[in-house]
Amino acid sequence: AQSVTQLGSHVSVSEGALVLLRCNYSSSVPPYLFWYVQYPNQGLQLLLKYTTGATLVKGINGFEAEFKKSETSFHLTKPSAHMSDAAEYFCAVSLARQGAQKLVFGQGTRLTINP
Amino acid sequence: EADIYQTPRYLVIGTGKKITLECSQTMGHDKMYWYQQDPGMELHLIHYSYGVNSTEKGDLSSESTVSRIRTEHFPLTLESARPSHTSQYLCASSPSLKRGYNTGELFFGEGSRLTVL
Repeated sequence: AQSVTQLGSHVSVSEGALVLLRCNYSSSVPPYLFWYVQYPNQGLQLLLKYTTGATLVKGINGFEAEFKKSETSFHLTKPSAHMSDAAEYFCAVSLARQGAQKLVFGQGTRLTINP
Repeated sequence: EADIYQTPRYLVIGTGKKITLECSQTMGHDKMYWYQQDPGMELHLIHYSYGVNSTEKGDLSSESTVSRIRTEHFPLTLESARPSHTSQYLCASSPSLKRGYNTGELFFGEGSRLTVL
């Protein structure tokens, strides 16, 4: 079975600093990987996803993530944090290629941006 | 702008009441899902549906039930609510591609936050 581990339930950075949110997965077959963001009192919004092809994936709001098979990682980065980036971030993995698409989520990382 | 809608957004009720959380999507997606999100933020799949008249239990056991009579509608029902049901419930949907595969992206509603006193 697949699983996702997000290192650090809380991450705090200064405005303008690098954002790095860590995600490691376990999977017996090549996974599909996702990062979602959740703002207060809202649902989840897709930031970016990796399915096949280029391992460096660019998403919305200046975020990007790199799929590293050898490290089973899919860390999320942004060069310069903005106050509006404060939110909860979820990494997710899926193996399903047919039928219902069941995502397994990590426990989430709360990102705080300090002025 | 969201194409998947959940109502109510917030609900506070007493123990023993029957409640239905509504979820509708206008994207024509075949697959729909309910996730439960605990106060500690983790999400767990409790129900999903491949299409009309299809419902399956998810990875987390839940006393709730679901139905899928129409493609666009996937309501969740609790016959007798208890304080342990207090949580946020997130509905999601995903499209099917022609070959039956999809890229995995789920589209989420804004959630229904349930508090049972």
